[in-house]
Amino acid sequence: SQTIHQWPATLVQPVGSPLSLECTVEGTSNPNLYWYRQAAGRGLQLLFYSVGIGQISSEVPQNLSASRPQDRQFILSSKKLLLSDSGFYLCAWSYQGETEAFFGQGTRLTVV
Amino acid sequence: GIQVEQSPPDLILQEGANSTLRCNFSDSVNNLQWFHQNPWGQLINLFYIPSGTKQNGRLSATTVATERYSLLYISSSQTTDSGVYFCAVHNNNDMRFGAGTRLTVKP
Repeated sequence: SQTIHQWPATLVQPVGSPLSLECTVEGTSNPNLYWYRQAAGRGLQLLFYSVGIGQISSEVPQNLSASRPQDRQFILSSKKLLLSDSGFYLCAWSYQGETEAFFGQGTRLTVV
Repeated sequence: GIQVEQSPPDLILQEGANSTLRCNFSDSVNNLQWFHQNPWGQLINLFYIPSGTKQNGRLSATTVATERYSLLYISSSQTTDSGVYFCAVHNNNDMRFGAGTRLTVKP
């Protein structure tokens, strides 16, 4: 069966520090991968999605970047965090062709 | 991009009551999902429903793709149904969410 792993679960980082959040999927190949951010009490904002290795689509101009160095690995990064980067970050995967999507447990990031 | 609107934004029910949550979308979509976000933030898949009607226990969902809306029905609500319900639509390889309906079920 397919599983998605996301870590860490919680993270507290100072302003100006770098960020690296990792998401990996097991049990499938060539998935679509997504990064979302949820501000407190708000909906989910699509940040990036990827349909293959090295293929990243960015939805929102921001302080973040994404990379897909391997087929089932999706990384969210920042060189210098801002206070406004705080939030709940969720990774998701689906099969190619816009099928049902499944989410990881999320990372709660607090920038102080 | 495609717009997704959910209503109502907030809903308060007494335990045992029924409710209907609505999701409208602005363009043709290839697929639609309903999720429940639990108090720990995890998104639980409820329905994958590009069209038609599905039922799972006390929950059911209907999507009328030609009219660009989907409905989620919750019957005999329980306190454990509390949380935020999201619909998400798939279009051109991305997946966009509505703002959610926050449901509170009181004992």
